[in-house]
Amino acid sequence: GAVVSQHPSWVICKSGTSVKIECRSLDFQATTMFWYRQFPKQSLMLMATSNEGSKATYEQGVEKDKFLINHASLTLSTLTVTSAHPEDSSFYICSATGRSNQPQHFGDGTRLSIL
Amino acid sequence: AQSVTQLDSQVPVFEEAPVELRCNYSSSVSVYLFWYVQYPNQGLQLLLKYLSGSTLVESINGFEAEFNKSQTSFHLRKPSVHISDTAEYFCAVSERSSASKIIFGSGTRLSIRP
Repeated sequence: GAVVSQHPSWVICKSGTSVKIECRSLDFQATTMFWYRQFPKQSLMLMATSNEGSKATYEQGVEKDKFLINHASLTLSTLTVTSAHPEDSSFYICSATGRSNQPQHFGDGTRLSIL
Repeated sequence: AQSVTQLDSQVPVFEEAPVELRCNYSSSVSVYLFWYVQYPNQGLQLLLKYLSGSTLVESINGFEAEFNKSQTSFHLRKPSVHISDTAEYFCAVSERSSASKIIFGSGTRLSIRP
């Protein structure tokens, strides 16, 4: 089946640094990728939708300048948390789909801890 | 807009007992319905989905869910659970016309007691 790889799986860094998370579709071309945030014991909240070669569409309340999303190729999207602070600590999950009527395939998530 | 309600945040059951995880949705348009499972510190895995056709859908590990349009429900059931079924289960919905955007329920933690 379709595989989505997310890297790193766990990252700990100091407050004020920027962190980049990669999401790759390994065996299909992902025209659309999604980024979710999940707080402990809560559901996934969609942060943004990115289509290859165009700007990401952010959900209401998500800061574009804080969470930079790049989807430069059909197999890679990146999420950069800029000037991270402890409140940005969370579990970030990406997903990818080849076509709009196809199910999303999820990565294993990245646990981000800001000290 | 769509929404998904999972009334039970936690469901404890004994091993080999049956279980039902409830899911209700609201939408003004036709939808696709999904159940995802999340094991600790992992991403989501698609358990089963309803797109069209038979209202009863099954997974390979014994779970099944039935789409009930009149009750706007998509409850997940398993006749006999195993310790390995311990996980968080998310019900989700997406519009048929914009099938990519998925709205998730708040999740139900299924804990199996030996």
